[in-house]
Amino acid sequence: GAVVSQHPSRVICKSGTSVKIECRSLDFQATTMFWYRQFPKKSLMLMATSNEGSKATYEQGVEKDKFLINHASLTLSTLTVTSAHPEDSSFYICSARDPSGVNNSPLHFGNGTRLTVT
Amino acid sequence: GNSVTQMEGPVTLSEEAFLTINCTYTATGYPSLFWYVQYPGEGLQLLLKATKADDKGSNKGFEATYRKETTSFHLEKGSVQVSDSAVYFCALSDGGNDKIIFGKGTRLHILP
Repeated sequence: GAVVSQHPSRVICKSGTSVKIECRSLDFQATTMFWYRQFPKKSLMLMATSNEGSKATYEQGVEKDKFLINHASLTLSTLTVTSAHPEDSSFYICSARDPSGVNNSPLHFGNGTRLTVT
Repeated sequence: GNSVTQMEGPVTLSEEAFLTINCTYTATGYPSLFWYVQYPGEGLQLLLKATKADDKGSNKGFEATYRKETTSFHLEKGSVQVSDSAVYFCALSDGGNDKIIFGKGTRLHILP
């Protein structure tokens, strides 16, 4: 079945540095990918919709200059957390839908990236 | 706006017990409803879905029925196993776009 690969699975970085997270659709082309953030004991919050060939669409309250999204190709979207701070520590998950699937085909999720900022 | 509310966890049950995880939603229009499961160390996987009122989604012994009159989509399983231990997310999507809105998740522990 369709697979979404997310890398790295875990990353620890120092405050003030930037971290890039990659999301790849392995066997389908995804014109749209989604980035979520998951806080402990809370829901997954949609951060932004990543559109191939155009700017990402950010949800209200998400700083676009802080969380840079680049959808470079039909199989790759990247999320860069710039000038990371400890409050950015979280679990980030990407997802994509296979457009060739049947109606209402589900989103396929990556395994997530645990970011820890020290 | 659209939202999903599901029961707080963690839920701890003995093996072979009956499981119910409550989920209610608020939405305009006619959303599709989903249950996703996240096993330890893994990403989210779709467990089951229902796209219209009175539909029943089922998979791996789990069931949920789309109840428009009560705006609910409760997850049930007649006899749980240790391998069902995971976090379960109720979710909805607006039929007009790809955005999915998740509940907070319910952690389920099954004791042998």
